Parts: sequence; C-alpha cells; structure tokens
Amino acid sequence: DAGITQSPRHKVTETGTPVTLRCHQTENHRYMYWYRQDPGHGLRLIHYSYGVKDTDKGEVSDGYSVSRSKTEDFLLTLESATSSQTSVYFCAISEWRGVRNEQFFGPGTRLTVL
Amino acid sequence: KNEVEQSPQNLTAQEGEFITINCSYSVGISALHWLQQHPGGGIVSLFMLSSGKKKHGRLIATINIQEKHSSLHITASHPRDSAVYICAVRAYNNAGNMLTFGGGTRLMVKP
Repeated sequence: DAGITQSPRHKVTETGTPVTLRCHQTENHRYMYWYRQDPGHGLRLIHYSYGVKDTDKGEVSDGYSVSRSKTEDFLLTLESATSSQTSVYFCAISEWRGVRNEQFFGPGTRLTVL
Repeated sequence: KNEVEQSPQNLTAQEGEFITINCSYSVGISALHWLQQHPGGGIVSLFMLSSGKKKHGRLIATINIQEKHSSLHITASHPRDSAVYICAVRAYNNAGNMLTFGGGTRLMVKP
C-alpha cells in the first residue's frame, strides 16, 4: 500500500469554525490532491498541488484553501465550515513515471458540520 | 452532461455470474482508470488503461479509444466483489495529472 495517511479520520464540528485536514505521504510523489465524495456526485476535485508551494484550484474550491510547505504534507483548510461541507474527504497522490501515473488514495476523513 | 458516465448505477448479481460495468466518456484521454471502493470506504486502483485490454485474476478491463468506451468485467463473481466501482479518465494536456470521475457503480453480489 502507498504510504498515505489522513488526519483526523473523523471530525464533528460546528458551523463557522475553522477546520484543517492533513494529508501525509511517505512516497515522495510530486502531485497531491484533495477530493470530496458526496452521494450522487462521485469524487470531485477541490484543490491539487504539483509541488511544494505550487497549488491550483479544482472543480469545487470555493470555501477551501490549501497549503503545501513540504513534499510530504498537504493541508486542506475550511476557514469557516458550513453544513454543505459535510462530506468524506480523500487525499490522493500521484507521480509521472513514463506511462505509469496511477493515483493512490488515502483512507478518507469523514467530516460532519452541524 | 457529465464527462464520464457509468452504467448501471446499481447492480445486483448472484454469486458466480459474469458482470459487466460500462464507462463512457466525452473527452480525449491519455488514460482511463478503474477503481474499487469497498464498504469500509478505502479506494484502490484496479487498472490503468490507454488501449486494449488488461486482466488481473477474475477482473478484465477493456477500452475502445475510438468509441470512447471502457468496460470492466468480473468473471465468476463472489460476494467479496461487492463494492463501488469507479471509472476515471485523465484528459489530454492535463498539466496537473488530474482525473475526472464517473459516479460509480454499486455492485452487490449475493451468495
């Protein structure tokens, strides 16, 4: 298994509070991604990173920010959580290796915003 | 219209049946992925395809680039195959190595 961990694995918080989710990898992969998964929508990209301090927005980036100060860590921050951000969040990593560039997923974080 | 469409959305089969899950996409791609998500939530990569066919155990994945279509087949299905199967594509000129996902097919195999 690819070395990807997410923390916390579960979190319940209240509307308006800040929340930070952490993704940590031990694979030294260049690309890191944050997705959310909701019923009826599948996986949707929030933000991604293509290197240290290099990030870009995905499909559903409103209300989220990210930071990557080290290769191994990619943080997702909800500055002021809303109930619509209740979801399961997955981190993923990938690397270009010729034709091989699979994505490997972390175990997920279940976030509930009350 | 979603760029990646899967069918069926839900599928129930009896143990031992041959199963086919379909994926159609509307963009030019450099690769297509099949992923499996078990009830516990973890997502694992099954196949990455850019042409032809790949086989791993009882799983077979095929892709037709001209028709923009891929299929995932499960032979001699077993209850442990029960999971959500997700198709994802990597579009051409994708600087971020990003994937676009289908909505998934929920498979239940009954004993």
